[in-house]
Amino acid sequence: GAGVSQSPSNKVTEKGKDVELRCDPISGHTALYWYRQSLGQGLEFLIYFQGNSAPDKSGLPSDRFSAERTGGSVSTLTIQRTQQEDSAVYLCASSYRTSGGLETQYFGPGTRLLVL
Amino acid sequence: AQSVTQLDSHVSVSEGTPVLLRCNYSSSYSPSLFWYVQHPNKGLQLLLKYTSAATLVKGINGFEAEFKKSETSFHLTKPSAHMSDAAEYFCVVSVNTGRRALTFGSGTRLQVQP
Repeated sequence: GAGVSQSPSNKVTEKGKDVELRCDPISGHTALYWYRQSLGQGLEFLIYFQGNSAPDKSGLPSDRFSAERTGGSVSTLTIQRTQQEDSAVYLCASSYRTSGGLETQYFGPGTRLLVL
Repeated sequence: AQSVTQLDSHVSVSEGTPVLLRCNYSSSYSPSLFWYVQHPNKGLQLLLKYTSAATLVKGINGFEAEFKKSETSFHLTKPSAHMSDAAEYFCVVSVNTGRRALTFGSGTRLQVQP
C-alpha cells in the first residue's frame, strides 16, 4: 500500500518568509510525528499527534514553528519568518498506535528546506 | 529520559567481510530499540526492532542485532557486506510511555569497498 508522502520534496525560500510543509500519513495510522534532520543537531523530535488528543509540542525549537493535523489525517508544519538555521530535512512519520507494545514508525521521504 | 550513543561515526569494510556497527543506550524504562537505514536521498527504512521478546533480532537484508541488557548495547551485525549496504545507519531508542517519540543516535556512515 501507499507509504507516508511529503510535499514538497525540496523547498528553497528567502530568510523571513513563511513556509508550509505537508505530510500525508499511511491510511488508518493514528499517530503522526514530525522530526528534523540537520547537520548540527542530527535527527530530533519536533511534535506528535495522536488521534484527537492535544498535540505534544515539546520538541518545537521556537514559537515560529507550528503544526496542525486536520481530520486526523493530513498534517501541515508551518515555519514563520524562516531563519537560515531552519535549513534541514523535515521528516514525517506515522504509526498505528496500540495499547500494547511499541508500534513501528514509518517515515516519509522528507522535505529538504533551504533558507537563503 | 533516554539516549543513544553510536560509537563510530564512520565504518569502512570490504565487500564480503563482516559488518559491526556499535550502539549503546540509556533508558529509565524498559526500552524498545530499533535500527533504521537511510540511503542517499532516500527516506528512513526500518531494519529491525527489539521489543522485549527474543534478545537476538533478525532484520531485513541479512542484518541482525543482539540486545545485551548488562552491557546496555544493541550492536548491528551482518556476516558479509554487499556494496548495496553502503548507507547511514541510525540506532534508535524509545519507551512505551507518553508520546513514544524516537530518540536517534548520531548515525554511522557505512562505506563498502569493492
